[in-house]
Amino acid sequence: QQQVKQSPQSLIVQKGGISIINCAYENTAFDYFPWYQQFPGKGPALLIAIRPDVSEKKEGRFTISFNKSAKQFSLHIMDSQPGDSATYFCAASMADSWGKLQFGAGTQVVVTP
Amino acid sequence: GAVVSQHPSWVICKSGTSVKIECRSLDFQATTMFWYRQFPKQSLMLMATSNEGSKATYEQGVEKDKFLINHASLTLSTLTVTSAHPEDSSFYICSAITGQGITYGYTFGSGTRLTVV
Repeated sequence: QQQVKQSPQSLIVQKGGISIINCAYENTAFDYFPWYQQFPGKGPALLIAIRPDVSEKKEGRFTISFNKSAKQFSLHIMDSQPGDSATYFCAASMADSWGKLQFGAGTQVVVTP
Repeated sequence: GAVVSQHPSWVICKSGTSVKIECRSLDFQATTMFWYRQFPKQSLMLMATSNEGSKATYEQGVEKDKFLINHASLTLSTLTVTSAHPEDSSFYICSAITGQGITYGYTFGSGTRLTVV
């Protein structure tokens, strides 16, 4: 049973547009919500992460919005570039469960020129 | 930042042989490491949690005798795929917990593409 549900499965956005990926979780004990970017044949790389004490975090063109009451968080990629074309995974973990990361199913983002 | 080095990046082996994949934390001590398996266009599937100096904890459905994990030091964990078969062909990725307390996070290796022929 997947503890973190991610949508959409794939996304096509034009260069300069906004990519939005959503994730939902059930376990209120989760205390760490990272987003990873993965290129083909490479391991996931941390893009940005948030903890439940804040509702938004921005790093450059990437923003996480976190809604604790709705148990949802989302990634916004502003001014999307062709180099952003990758698979994005949301995840969640809690410190007292051996630190296991629960991954979403992933979203393949394609940014067209 | 914390770096996890994974080797080899790709390996081809004959069916029935064993393959060892190494995961090293380069600039920090990793008490806990994780091993994942990823099939094409799918998410990462946790195989096992590796703790330094103790036996690994395997996820349900993962054969511990086929996927041997050793975490003998604070900077090295190894995954050995024993008697590999074509169905073991996959992308294997390790990760380590970095930081502690409320600042903990995860760093991933670059992955190993295993092809069993």
